[in-house]
Amino acid sequence: GPKVLQIPSHQIIDMGQMVTLNCDPVSNHLYFYWYKQILGQQMEFLVNFYNGKVMEKSKLFKDQFSVERPDGSYFTLKIQPTALEDSAVYFCASSPTVNQDTQYFGPGTRLLVL
Amino acid sequence: AQSVTQPDARVTVSEGASLQLRCKYSYSGTPYLFWYVQYPRQGLQLLLKYYSGDPVVQGVNGFEAEFIKSNSSFHLRKASVHWSDSAVYFCAVSAGGFASALTFGSGTKVIPCLP
Repeated sequence: GPKVLQIPSHQIIDMGQMVTLNCDPVSNHLYFYWYKQILGQQMEFLVNFYNGKVMEKSKLFKDQFSVERPDGSYFTLKIQPTALEDSAVYFCASSPTVNQDTQYFGPGTRLLVL
Repeated sequence: AQSVTQPDARVTVSEGASLQLRCKYSYSGTPYLFWYVQYPRQGLQLLLKYYSGDPVVQGVNGFEAEFIKSNSSFHLRKASVHWSDSAVYFCAVSAGGFASALTFGSGTKVIPCLP
């Protein structure tokens, strides 16, 4: 089936540093999402993105977070500066124009903030 | 706001036996319901989805789910479990439509064992 790739698979950084998580969505998909899963907790929606704009964001999407997809390349989640509570697995997803409700997920990036 | 409850964190089932994973949702409107599966070191994969029509919906790999509106439930079933079904299963709900956010349950880990 369609594949979403995420780079890197793991990332360890010091608190206060900036981190960028990269997502390579399914080609021809136009809707993009980020979800966050803290160890032992439910996966939670962060943000969705379409046509260069954030459409919806949750209360977890702090001011330190930003998303973009410059020139149709990777869909990125940037955290600047990072905090200890940002340690989690971040999942990217994308969905097609038709059947927008069906989201295809990547394997996640495991972020550890020290 | 919507929510999803999966009351069983782990389910151990004999190979060849039937499986039911429970899911209850809370949503004031007409829900779009999903079951996803996550195998180790992989992303979530869609098993099936429902938003209208026959309340019993068929998915991949022999899975099916039944939407019971009166009970706000969307339980997942499989008639005969195989060892390859070892994974974490997530129930999710959304408002549907234009790239709606998914609200997930906490997941149920399925552990097949020898009969």
